[in-house]
Order: sequence, then structure tokens, then C-alpha cells
Amino acid sequence: GAGVSQSPSNKVTEKGKDVELRCDPISGHTALYWYRQSLGQGLEFLIYFQGNSAPDKSGLPSDRFSAERTGGSVSTLTIQRTQQEDSAVYLCASSLVERVGEQFFGPGTRLTVL
Amino acid sequence: QQQVKQSPQSLIVQKGGISIINCAYENTAFDYFPWYQQFPGKGPALLIAIRPDVSEKKEGRFTISFNKSAKQFSLHIMDSQPGDSATYFCAARSVAAGNKLTFGGGTRVLVKP
Repeated sequence: GAGVSQSPSNKVTEKGKDVELRCDPISGHTALYWYRQSLGQGLEFLIYFQGNSAPDKSGLPSDRFSAERTGGSVSTLTIQRTQQEDSAVYLCASSLVERVGEQFFGPGTRLTVL
Repeated sequence: QQQVKQSPQSLIVQKGGISIINCAYENTAFDYFPWYQQFPGKGPALLIAIRPDVSEKKEGRFTISFNKSAKQFSLHIMDSQPGDSATYFCAARSVAAGNKLTFGGGTRVLVKP
């Protein structure tokens, strides 16, 4: 079946603009995660969804970052007033709730803030 | 605070050799330790995982060794192949800390033909 998909694959924006990143998880996966990967670095947890609710938002770096999930499926990560330090690859992953360690990642969205 | 420390940052091995990547953790509440493999331009993919009640797990050429008392675990890639060239991440999960993975910093492995 289809894996996790993310769009766009690349996004170049100007400092101060808002951006929206989309994630389509694997069908039936109720758990969804957003991570950020800076160049040559590890993965930084941002937020976790269980269904449409987000019990763990602890990784969101500032109030410019928000995310929502609708219908227990598609999720959108929004970054307002982008800054250059927001430049990174944003990765989405999904899993079955009973197998949260086995996360399936999408290809990521590479965000470049000029 | 880096809860999972991974070493080395990079590794070069000859084809047929053994690649060894080490990870150490502090949080004794971690109860699941997966390894992910990431190729350039792709998202990480689950490679192999272990729970702390097991000291070793082998899948094909990939083996995880786990030392609970030392709070360390390692990935061994036997008979390394050029196609194994990728970045490898160890991770750890604690149910008590919520359903998220804490990742190590990654190891870039290059297997020379």
C-alpha cells in the first residue's frame, strides 16, 4: 500500500512569510508525528497526534509553529513569520497506536527560508 | 539535553567489513530501541529494533547488541556492502515520556568497494 506522503517536497520562502506543510499518513495509522531535521543533524521531535488530538506538543520550538490534524488523517504543520533558522527538512511519520516505536516516515519537505 | 548519544559521527569501512555504531542513553524508562536507516533525500526507514529484556537481536546482516546495565546498545553491520552506505540513527522510546522517539545524532556510514 501507499506510504506516508508529504507535500510540497521543496519549499523556498522569504523571511516573514507563512508556510504550510502537509502530511498524508498511512491509512489506518492513528498516530502521527512531526520531526525536524537540520542539515547533517539528528531528528528533533516537534509534535505527536493521537487521532485528531495532540497530547504532546512539547517539541514545538515557538508559538510560530502550530499543527492540526483533521479526520484522523491529513495533518498540516504551519510556520508563521518564518525565520532563517526554520530552514530544515520537516519529516512526518505515522504508526499504529499499539506500535508507536515502529514509525513509518515520509520523504520530508525541505524548507528554505531566504 | 541529548538523551541518546550516538558515536561515531561518521564511519568508513571496506566492502565485506564490519560497521559498528554505538549508542548510550540515560533514561532508564526507555523501553524500546529501534535503529533507522536513511538514504539521501529519503525519510528514515525502520531497520531493526530491540527491547531491553533481550541482549541481542539479529536480522540478516544486521545485529543489535544491548547492554542494559551499561545503558548502551550498538548496531553491527556484517559483511558491509556499498548499498549499506547511508546515515544510521539509533532511537529510544519511553511510554512514560509520551509516544515519541528520542533520536541519536546519526552516523554517516560509507562502504568503499
